[in-house]
Amino acid sequence: KQEVTQIPAALSVPEGENLVLNCSFTDSAIYNLQWFRQDPGKGLTSLLLIQSSQREQTSGRLNASLDKSSGRSTLYIAASQPGDSATYLCASNCGTTSGGSYIPTFGRGTSLIVHP
Amino acid sequence: GAVVSQHPSRVICKSGTSVKIECRSLDFQATTMFWYRQFPKKSLMLMATSNEGSKATYEQGVEKDKFLINHASLTLSTLTVTSAHPEDSSFYICSAPAQAGELFFGEGSRLTVL
Repeated sequence: KQEVTQIPAALSVPEGENLVLNCSFTDSAIYNLQWFRQDPGKGLTSLLLIQSSQREQTSGRLNASLDKSSGRSTLYIAASQPGDSATYLCASNCGTTSGGSYIPTFGRGTSLIVHP
Repeated sequence: GAVVSQHPSRVICKSGTSVKIECRSLDFQATTMFWYRQFPKKSLMLMATSNEGSKATYEQGVEKDKFLINHASLTLSTLTVTSAHPEDSSFYICSAPAQAGELFFGEGSRLTVL
């Protein structure tokens, strides 16, 4: 059974710092890996999706990498801002449901606070 | 990205009543939807996988008769919490995979059972 671990569990940094959030998974036979952001009391917002054949994806100040062989993904946030404060979750997709959809396994998230 | 809409965002009900939460994919079709429960400061707990045209697949420990799931169409799945008790109070979130397996989430529904 896939297990996803996120380190650190919490992070507090001053504005402007570059950050690295880590995600590790036990089963390297994944179809894709996705990073999300969750604000308090809200649903999850998709940030980046990396397919198993890809090494990284970029969106603005965010860059996510994937190393299947080592079972790791990192989310890099450049020049952090107070608005980046949220919980960041990664999810790996392995296997399929009877309908052919991937089954996601989530980490517990990294709670990020960026203070002015 | 794709849009998943969840309704209601907040609901308060009395013990013993039933509450229905809707999850709609607005701009894509979803043969599968996932229902999660989230406790304060905890990660997502998968409750069940909703399958269009067939029965939902429940995770171990989730009561099927308590949490009724119906995937009525390719754009709508509903979760009904039956005979709600205070311990059912929680944040419920749905998600649906769109193109290339990318997951999109609803806004979540905060259930409070008095």
